[in-house]
Amino acid sequence: DQQVKQNSPSLSVQEGRISILNCDYTNSMFDYFLWYKKYPAEGPTFLISISSIKDKNEDGRFTVFLNKSAKHLSLHIVPSQPGDSAVYFCAASALGGSSNTGKLIFGQGTTLQVKP
Amino acid sequence: DAGVTQSPTHLIKTRGQQVTLRCSPKSGHDTVSWYQQALGQGPQFIFQYYEEEERQRGNFPDRFSGHQFPNYSSELNVNALLLGDSALYLCASSRLGGNTGELFFGEGSRLTVL
Repeated sequence: DQQVKQNSPSLSVQEGRISILNCDYTNSMFDYFLWYKKYPAEGPTFLISISSIKDKNEDGRFTVFLNKSAKHLSLHIVPSQPGDSAVYFCAASALGGSSNTGKLIFGQGTTLQVKP
Repeated sequence: DAGVTQSPTHLIKTRGQQVTLRCSPKSGHDTVSWYQQALGQGPQFIFQYYEEEERQRGNFPDRFSGHQFPNYSSELNVNALLLGDSALYLCASSRLGGNTGELFFGEGSRLTVL
């Protein structure tokens, strides 16, 4: 039972354009969502997060949007840069008021390629 | 400031053998979580240790066990290895009460079971 799904295995965009990565989830108990980036031979690194009480969170070139009714979130990267080329994982957590459980449910990942 | 370190980086075992993977958390972190990442998949939660106790566990059999030491470092043990245990094993550390859900991952230990 895949509770977090990233239906696009790969995405290719031109440098300077917008990259949009999508993620769907099924568990309505999820109340915290994160995006991680992973380069080859490295561990995933935290990128940006959003609580279920918000619908948008922005950090520089990265913005995450959450649509709770659709159980959908997306990561926008504007403008995209070649250094953004990596695998992006969407993750979710059911904190239920507690903090930092460490148990994240990950999607399968989307490989982003930004062409110069 | 050293991040999360894992050892060994690569290892090869045969079916039925046992393996121990090690993790040192980021300085200042007290909680260690272990994840298994199969090829082409996202990481899957195995378990989490805090105060030397297993606090949470994912859907993994008892062949997977762990330990946390007083210095917060951790071990993951897998007994009776199966071919399907071949994966990248990731250790992640965090500080209880720190930024919610923001884990710091090591580079992983790549296990191949033949």
